Amino acid sequence: RKEVEQDPGPFNVPEGATVAFNCTYSNSASQSFFWYRQDCRKEPKLLMSVYSSGNEDGRFTAQLNRASQYISLLIRDSKLSDSATYLCVVKGSVEGSSNTGKLIFGQGTTLQVKP
Amino acid sequence: DAGITQSPRHKVTETGTPVTLRCHQTENHRYMYWYRQDPGHGLRLIHYSYGVKDTDKGEVSDGYSVSRSKTEDFLLTLESATSSQTSVYFCAISETRTINEQFFGPGTRLTVL
Repeated sequence: RKEVEQDPGPFNVPEGATVAFNCTYSNSASQSFFWYRQDCRKEPKLLMSVYSSGNEDGRFTAQLNRASQYISLLIRDSKLSDSATYLCVVKGSVEGSSNTGKLIFGQGTTLQVKP
Repeated sequence: DAGITQSPRHKVTETGTPVTLRCHQTENHRYMYWYRQDPGHGLRLIHYSYGVKDTDKGEVSDGYSVSRSKTEDFLLTLESATSSQTSVYFCAISETRTINEQFFGPGTRLTVL
């Protein structure tokens, strides 16, 4: 089982739509969670961190459910410029393991926003 | 944008040849990482460095070696390239291990024939 799992999509939505991506992680001891964005043939860049209380940045809302080991990203009022791959990222934090402090990436969910 | 460059940006080579990829940073960050990215997989960590001459293995280190003789440079070497090492390779940096954000270089697209 992969440590971080995402539905690869693609998600094809019209401009203005609301779209949600989900991600599950297997290590219940993980402490930090993020969404990175990767444009086609470009490098990944941090989009936002995910906090237990949920957090919002403009049209983007991230949620964390520790009990279900589930992370989500909601994009409202989709723009053409939102077309990209969204990577769910978990930071390993099991003390004494080789994963401590390392980022573990999901395979990404591709979003295509159409005019 | 963080000052990270990778060279070469594209390379085609033949099975069995040695290949070295270079990552150069101007941010003076202590931590440097090499990842590979393949369809159906997330970014997977190959090796990382936590200081000059201090390196450690990631989850997919077989067939790869690294060296870091200066803070700003982190080299990834494929001693004898195989077709399974055809991939996009990304270098990343972070200030400390506890800092959450990693900054990525533009990537190197390697094809092994």
